[in-house]
Amino acid sequence: EAQVTQNPRYLITVTGKKLTVTCSQNMNHEYMSWYRQDPGLGLRQIYYSMNVEVTDKGDVPEGYKVSRKEKRNFPLILESPSPNQTSLYFCASSWGGGLGYTFGSGTRLTVV
Amino acid sequence: TQLLEQSPQFLSIQEGENLTVYCNSSSVFSSLQWYRQEPGEGPVLLVTVVTGGEVKKLKRLTFQFGDARKDSSLHITAAQPGDTGLYLCAGAKAGGTSYGKLTFGQGTILTVHP
Repeated sequence: EAQVTQNPRYLITVTGKKLTVTCSQNMNHEYMSWYRQDPGLGLRQIYYSMNVEVTDKGDVPEGYKVSRKEKRNFPLILESPSPNQTSLYFCASSWGGGLGYTFGSGTRLTVV
Repeated sequence: TQLLEQSPQFLSIQEGENLTVYCNSSSVFSSLQWYRQEPGEGPVLLVTVVTGGEVKKLKRLTFQFGDARKDSSLHITAAQPGDTGLYLCAGAKAGGTSYGKLTFGQGTILTVHP
């Protein structure tokens, strides 16, 4: 089944403790992207990647890192999480950035 | 940051009614995408429109891209309770390294009552 898989689905962590949210797609898509969704603010793009080793900032990149060492994987790294990073996070992939994305099921992160 | 204004934010209607959701911007997009999202799940792509003036139909849903590629609309005919959900529009910028950049509207929460 063609899909984008994120892990974990739920995560509660403490301020300052580094964490990684994994994302993997099995569709051989070139483009991958991370979003956060917050009430009243909608979906906002954090980072996106157009291919292996090619990444660029979205609208809200502060406090996040990404890497694209393999085509199928695009992990999101929070080096020092803070409570304002509590959110619902989505990973997505696409053949081409303008063609529409397939989204994962989301990761609900709480930073206390 | 390009802004996509989506309206209305909330829509509560009776089964069988028609409705239209609008997505407007002052920026030109290479494509406009519409998604539907259920609670606790990721958005699911409904359609992508890429040509100014383009109209696409998906059963009872009709999507239109404005001639200037700055706006789009989603029209649902004879809404059903199964149409209930969050509808999102998203614009992709044209060309270069910005091609992967996607801007979402705030979303329209649609509730269709039986």
